[in-house]
This record gives sequence, structure tokens and C-alpha cells, in this order.
Amino acid sequence: QVQLQESGPGLVKPSETLSLSCTVSGYSISSGYSWGWIRQPPGKGLEWIGSFSQSGSTYYTPSLKSRVTISVDTSTNEFSLRLTSVTAADTAVYFCARGIKPTVTPNWFFDLWGRGTLVTVSS
Amino acid sequence: DIVMTQSPDSLTVSLGETATINCKSSQSVLYSSNNKNYLGWYQQKPGQPPKLLIYWASTRESGVPDRFSGSGSGTDFTLTISSLQAEDVAVYYCQQYYHTPCSFGQGTKLELK
Repeated sequence: QVQLQESGPGLVKPSETLSLSCTVSGYSISSGYSWGWIRQPPGKGLEWIGSFSQSGSTYYTPSLKSRVTISVDTSTNEFSLRLTSVTAADTAVYFCARGIKPTVTPNWFFDLWGRGTLVTVSS
Repeated sequence: DIVMTQSPDSLTVSLGETATINCKSSQSVLYSSNNKNYLGWYQQKPGQPPKLLIYWASTRESGVPDRFSGSGSGTDFTLTISSLQAEDVAVYYCQQYYHTPCSFGQGTKLELK
């Protein structure tokens, strides 16, 4: 059974860097699929942040591209999210998810999700 | 970016009745080369992550009850939940995965009457 689990600080100060990890169990992330991050501000909708594919390419949503980095560690079967210069607008539940990329364009639908972790940006 | 607009924002339906949720994209998500609509539907219950229900606009994910069905093409799509059960109370989201970046609708909250 494939499972994803997010981990990281629940509180980050404004202007600092948000760092989260996603540990995947039951499947090797280097074996296939794409993997990514989606967030959901409290009481609001879903926003795709970024994903990486098996080709080694990483893609980010344009509105966050200057502040986001997704990295992968296949030795620990984890992937990570870094979001710099955070503000209160970055307060959200952050989900890691497994993506299915149906075409050559960088787009996915997501068939497996972690439970999510709430990150609050506040001093 | 492609804007996905769902209607209604909230919906109250009785047990056993049918719920209909609409999703409209600002541009077509139909790829003419394979005649597929790049549109998915998710269900999110309180405190839980979204769960994929339907992809390619009408293909049910494995394990999803057949009372959930998706339809539509181009820019207009519908999620239909027939014979509503208590466990169907949730927020439902559509997502397009044709245009970059992929984008979600604002959600439709389904409640029991």
C-alpha cells in the first residue's frame, strides 16, 4: 500500500523559508509517476505548487516559481519543498501527492495524496 | 491561467436523491488528437485530503462507487451523484490538467437536507 506523509515545522516566521518533506512508503519514487505539492489555504481551494517527473524535470506554478524549489532524495525515498520569503498568504495546508502526467505537457492529475500538514506563517 | 468555475457553491440534497455539480473552464480542455477531456473530479471530506473520483471527465477511479458519474466536453462538465448517501457529504473540486499550470475549481460544498 503506497502512502505519503508530510513533515516539517508547523510555524514559520514571515520572510523566512518554509521547508517540508514528503516520505513515500510502499513505492520507490524513482520507479515511475510524478510527485508534487499542492496547498490549500484555510477554508479555501486547492493550488498546485509544483511537481517533478521521471525525466528529471521540475515544474512550478508561475506565481510561485521565483520562491519555490522541489528536490528529490531517492536514497531516502523522499522529496522536499522549499518556499522562501513567506508571508501570511502562504499559510495553508500543504499536501504532497502522486501525479499522473498524461501528455508531454507539464500537467498532472493526482491519484494519491498525503494527509497534509498545516503551516502557519506568523511572528 | 485557466479559470475553473464551479456551480453552485453549495448544494443541499436529500438522502437517495441526485446531486449535480457543474464545472466550467475558461478554455477548452479537449485535446482533439485523442478526443480526451483533461478534466478530473475530487472529493474532500473535512480534515482529509482530496480523493480522486474521476479523470478524463468520465472515467471512474478504481473503487469509486458507480453512483458517481462524470460527463461533458470542451468547457462544460458535470459531476452527478445519484442515490445520495450520508458519506457523500463533502466538498467537490474539478481540476483541468490540459493547460499549464493545472488548476482547480473553487469547490462545491454538498450537504444533506
